[in-house]
Amino acid sequence: AQTVTQSQPEMSVQEAETVTLSCTYDTSESDYYLFWYKQPPSRQMILVIRQEAYKQQNATENRFSVNFQKAAKSFSLKISDSQLGDAAMYFCAYRSARNYGGSQGNLIFGKGTKLSVKP
Amino acid sequence: DAGITQSPRYKITETGRQVTLMCHQTWSHSYMFWYRQDLGHGLRLIYYSAAADITDKGEVPDGYVVSRSKTENFPLTLESATRSQTSVYFCASSESAGGGRTQYFGPGTRLTVL
Repeated sequence: AQTVTQSQPEMSVQEAETVTLSCTYDTSESDYYLFWYKQPPSRQMILVIRQEAYKQQNATENRFSVNFQKAAKSFSLKISDSQLGDAAMYFCAYRSARNYGGSQGNLIFGKGTKLSVKP
Repeated sequence: DAGITQSPRYKITETGRQVTLMCHQTWSHSYMFWYRQDLGHGLRLIYYSAAADITDKGEVPDGYVVSRSKTENFPLTLESATRSQTSVYFCASSESAGGGRTQYFGPGTRLTVL
């Protein structure tokens, strides 16, 4: 079974600085997708960024980028120029590319990292 | 409004009572999911549905029942609520299971079982 591990329960960053959130995963599959979701105090789950395992190029979305190391099964999120609105829980998630078998298409989540942004 | 909605947003109930959490999506997505979020566990899958009348268990299905008579609705029922079911419940939907299709989440329902 696949697992996702976020080893940093809490992180803090100064406004305008850069922070990196760590995520590792375990899978025997070669084709899958990785996601970072943001959950602000409103509880709404918001997709931040997505990475296809078959793509070597790291995904970027404005101030958010990932460092995807497939061999090391590592998927870290870098937030540049941190803003107060970035303060939230961040969840790393894995999704199999398989379209058969049990639990089709569901996300497997890490336990989350709480990010605080200091003004 | 278009999107995925959940009702109620907050619910307090007592042990042993039946509770139904509603989920409605307007995109006609085939796949729908129920997750629960607990401190220290992240989000865990309870049940999912690939289409109307097709449902299957996830990681933590015990004590829950689902149905999907219409594509747009996916209610979750706690037949006899227990304190361990106090949690935040999220419904999600996506176009398909395969590929990198984004899962869209509802706003969540905070359930407290006394």
